Amino acid sequence: KQEVTQIPAALSVPEGENLVLNCSFTDSAIYNLQWFRQDPGKGLTSLLLIQSSQREQTSGRLNASLDKSSGRSTLYIAASQPGDSATYLCAVCGAGNMLTFGGGTRLMVKP
Amino acid sequence: DAGVTQSPTHLIKTRGQQVTLRCSPKSGHDTVSWYQQALGQGPQFIFQYYEEEERQRGNFPDRFSGHQFPNYSSELNVNALLLGDSALYLCASSSSYNEQFFGPGTRLTVL
Repeated sequence: KQEVTQIPAALSVPEGENLVLNCSFTDSAIYNLQWFRQDPGKGLTSLLLIQSSQREQTSGRLNASLDKSSGRSTLYIAASQPGDSATYLCAVCGAGNMLTFGGGTRLMVKP
Repeated sequence: DAGVTQSPTHLIKTRGQQVTLRCSPKSGHDTVSWYQQALGQGPQFIFQYYEEEERQRGNFPDRFSGHQFPNYSSELNVNALLLGDSALYLCASSSSYNEQFFGPGTRLTVL
């Protein structure tokens, strides 16, 4: 059974800092990995999708890496802004196109 | 393109009642998945529909059932509601093993 863990569970940083969110998964047989953003009480916004054959993806200030063999992914956020405050969720896509989510990292960026 | 839409936005029911939630997928997507997200946790996979059939199912009781229509829209039905069914219900659409897009969710409160 796939298990996904995200560390840290919560993070508070001053504006402008670069930060790294971590995601680990137990079964390396995945099709892809997605990072999502969730604002309080809202749905999920897809940030980045990394296919299993890829090592990283970049979008603006966001960079996500994938090491499938070790079961790890990181989301790097450069020059953090207060608007980046949200919960960030990592999800791996396995057999049956089913997503397994981690518990999320709650990020607070202070002005 | 309106993206993934869900209705209603909020719903309040009492224990023992039945509820139906609705989802319209993103244009061009043929697969719809449903997830339950309890407060402070990552979403949990309920089931997935493709070509009007349930293709995958997570660890949820038979009280949770669904349907997919020929236009790919989908319904989630929950019978005999329990207090523990209170959660944010999320619908995601995709095309095969590609990026999954989520709707805004339906907040269900069971009293």
